[in-house]
Amino acid sequence: SAVISQKPSRDICQRGTSLTIQCQVDSQVTMMFWYRQQPGQSLTLIATANQGSEATYESGFVIDKFPISRPNLTFSTLTVSNMSPEDSSIYLCSVWANYGYTFGSGTRLTVV
Amino acid sequence: GQQLNQSPQSMFIQEGEDVSMNCTSSSIFNTWLWYKQDPGEGPVLLIALYKAGELTSNGRLTAQFGITRKDSFLNISASIPSDVGIYFCAGQLKGGSEKLVFGKGTKLTVNP
Repeated sequence: SAVISQKPSRDICQRGTSLTIQCQVDSQVTMMFWYRQQPGQSLTLIATANQGSEATYESGFVIDKFPISRPNLTFSTLTVSNMSPEDSSIYLCSVWANYGYTFGSGTRLTVV
Repeated sequence: GQQLNQSPQSMFIQEGEDVSMNCTSSSIFNTWLWYKQDPGEGPVLLIALYKAGELTSNGRLTAQFGITRKDSFLNISASIPSDVGIYFCAGQLKGGSEKLVFGKGTKLTVNP
């Protein structure tokens, strides 16, 4: 299965600022996904990021708040913009490769 | 959207006991997946099920894809302390690279 490196692993940020999370994959993949996991909760899909096209956002998530870049087949970034304490969550990237999903270790974000 | 109802929400068991958890849905799914998440990590795939009635084992873990395609269960036999974690079911309505829908998770605690 694909190996994902996600950075940073954790961060504490001031409200009103933005954080960009990076997801690097060790192989070329077409489909990458970004999830949010709020404290004690399950995973909720934020958006699907395919190379060469605009990201597709799920209901309740908008591009202005969570802009995504997908410059090539091995890399993507998710930015959490104008953060508030409600954005404190684990953010995970995932890829579809070799007929299965692989998840990164996540970025634990705390907004103060 | 589609929802997966996962139960129980949490379990406290003694080492050596067997564990069972399940997921149900009002929708028909083509794929059922079971993941485990350790603290500070992303979910790791345990078992994938692709056919109604399919029963698949992975070591001490056994999972089944319900005949109605609306449910799945995961059993863990002879639990050990490293089984501690959160177990998530996930489903795909169509399979392949379609996005995942996650259950809310079952938090397992194993007392030595």
